[in-house]
Parts: sequence; structure tokens; C-alpha cells
Amino acid sequence: VQLVESGGGLVKPGGSLRLSCVASGFAFRDYYMTWVRQAPGKGLEWISLISANSGYTEFADSLKGRGTVSRDNPKNSLFLHMDNLRVEDTAIYYCARGGRSFLEGFDSWGQGTLVTVSS
Amino acid sequence: QAVLTQPSSLSASPGASASLTCTLRSGINIATYRIYWYQQKPGSPPQYLLKYQSDSDNHQGSGVPSRFSGSKDASANAGILFISGLQSEDEADYYCMTWHGSAWVFGGGTKLTVL
Repeated sequence: VQLVESGGGLVKPGGSLRLSCVASGFAFRDYYMTWVRQAPGKGLEWISLISANSGYTEFADSLKGRGTVSRDNPKNSLFLHMDNLRVEDTAIYYCARGGRSFLEGFDSWGQGTLVTVSS
Repeated sequence: QAVLTQPSSLSASPGASASLTCTLRSGINIATYRIYWYQQKPGSPPQYLLKYQSDSDNHQGSGVPSRFSGSKDASANAGILFISGLQSEDEADYYCMTWHGSAWVFGGGTKLTVL
């Protein structure tokens, strides 16, 4: 299992960003996928999940109304689009593999991509 | 009050054992919750250790040594990560996680020092 995130970088407050995660080594289309972030020196914060067929998504309150999660199963890709970014969104963003069924935790993680929100 | 509470730090000696606790908020019964445990070393992503619901419903992550085990303490309303035979490589941050209220929730993490 390999997960590789990209798309992070420096963005100004109020800006937007689209993160990507490319998966390999497993049947991506069969698994729930999730995004977790970690602010510098802080703990882990779950932010979003998407079901295998994209029919079910959930967001943490911190990103509700500002984020969109999507996936492209034929391309083994997961995406997180974030709008109206705030300084407090600065973090390493990890994609992680969930289970084949709902309510399975995350057994594989990518290396993460750093998002810095600053003027 | 946070859903999951972990002590911020714990120290133990090499060869000793350590019990890391993950306390569920008052009013939420640990009996119905599956607790996941992750280990994170500096500069690396978290790694899945195990999940524990009950003695008949638990799972060890691939390649995770049997020195790591999970349990629950119903009287304390807590999940437990038990590490026996501590090694220097076990020094890391440990996070618990569960599903609650349509969201995955992490504990604040425990920094385990082995010295």
C-alpha cells in the first residue's frame, strides 16, 4: 500500500487549495478514504472521509462549508479542496486508507503534504 | 470536555511495561466503542498499531509486535494500550481514536519516553 499526497504549499488567508493523494498497491475503488491533519507541534485532527463510491462524505466541524472531498477511482486518486483558508488551517495533511466497510479505522497513511496559510 | 482524553506524557524504563490510557468522556460508555491506537515518531506519519473492541473483536496491525496489546478498563471508562518489554524504539507519541457523533475523534496523544 502506498499513498502519496501533493498540492501543499504557501497560500494567503482567504485563498484556496486542492490537495491530491494517489494510491497504489491495493484496490482503491473498494476502500473508504480519509484526510487527517496535524498542525505544527500538535496532535492529529480528522477532517474528512469519503466512501468507496463517493456516495457518503463527512467533514469535521472545522472544515464544514469550506471543504470538498472527492475521488477518481479509475485514477486511484483522492482529493481535498479547501476554500477560505485560515491561518489555523496550517498543518501537514495526510491521506489515509479506511476500511472496506464503514467505521473501519485507518491502517495506512501517506507521508503528508504541508499547507501553510500566511500573509 | 474532549471525547477522548490521554495523559500528555508518560515515562518508563527499558524492559518495563507501560499502560497508556484513553479515557472516554463521562456519559459515553466505553463498552460500545472500538478504540484504535496509532504510534507516531518525529518526522513520520502515524502508524496503525491495533484496534480493540473486546477480547473477541480486536485486530493487530501488520508487523506490530505482540508486545503491543489493547484492552478496556470499564471501571475507568477507558481504553488501554499496553506495551511490555519496552524498547528505546517505542519512544514516540501514541494516539487513540474512535468514531463518535458522525466523526472520527482522536485523543490528544501521549508522549512516551523510554529512559
